[in-house]
Amino acid sequence: DVKVTQSSRYLVKRTGEKVFLECVQDMDHENMFWYRQDPGLGLRLIYFSYDVKMKEKGDIPEGYSVSREKKERFSLILESASTNQTSMYLCASSSGQALNQPQHFGDGTRLSIL
Amino acid sequence: AQSVSQHNHHVILSEAASLELGCNYSYGGTVNLFWYVQYPGQHLQLLLKYFSGDPLVKGIKGFEAEFIKSKFSFNLRKPSVQWSDTAEYFCAVNAVTGRRALTFGSGTRLQVQP
Repeated sequence: DVKVTQSSRYLVKRTGEKVFLECVQDMDHENMFWYRQDPGLGLRLIYFSYDVKMKEKGDIPEGYSVSREKKERFSLILESASTNQTSMYLCASSSGQALNQPQHFGDGTRLSIL
Repeated sequence: AQSVSQHNHHVILSEAASLELGCNYSYGGTVNLFWYVQYPGQHLQLLLKYFSGDPLVKGIKGFEAEFIKSKFSFNLRKPSVQWSDTAEYFCAVNAVTGRRALTFGSGTRLQVQP
């Protein structure tokens, strides 16, 4: 069974801090994704990656960056946290190039920026 | 760019009632379609998917969905809901020729009363 592990379930940070959210998958998946989930808005794509050291912007990349140094790990970075980045962050992974492969999600990190 | 609409934001049903959740997408080409479910406190998990073949697809826990290409719809159904179906349901799509990431709808919160 695919396991996507996010380093923290809950995180509280202060405005202006640099924040790192970590995600690790154990199934050798090529593709990894970061979404944020907000009530009434569903999931919105922040960044994704098809391969090591490769990244592509999603629909709401402003204020975020990512890092993928190893295939199994995909990090989301908030360069200077702001209160409007308070949200639930979800990491996902999927295999191969076929677009019909389902994504497997982690439990999420609920991030609060004070 | 594709988009997904889920018109029912909050649905309340009694046990044994029938369920239909609407999902419409906007994209003129060939798509892959997914329904995910998020039970309280759990990660998103795949209910079912459609990418080709029989437009009526069956998923886990007695759920099914019908793809109607002419209506750009992929509605989720279950003939008789249970209290354990209380969850949030998300429809998602990606274009066959597009990016591997998914575009999600805003979600439908289903509450089943015993």
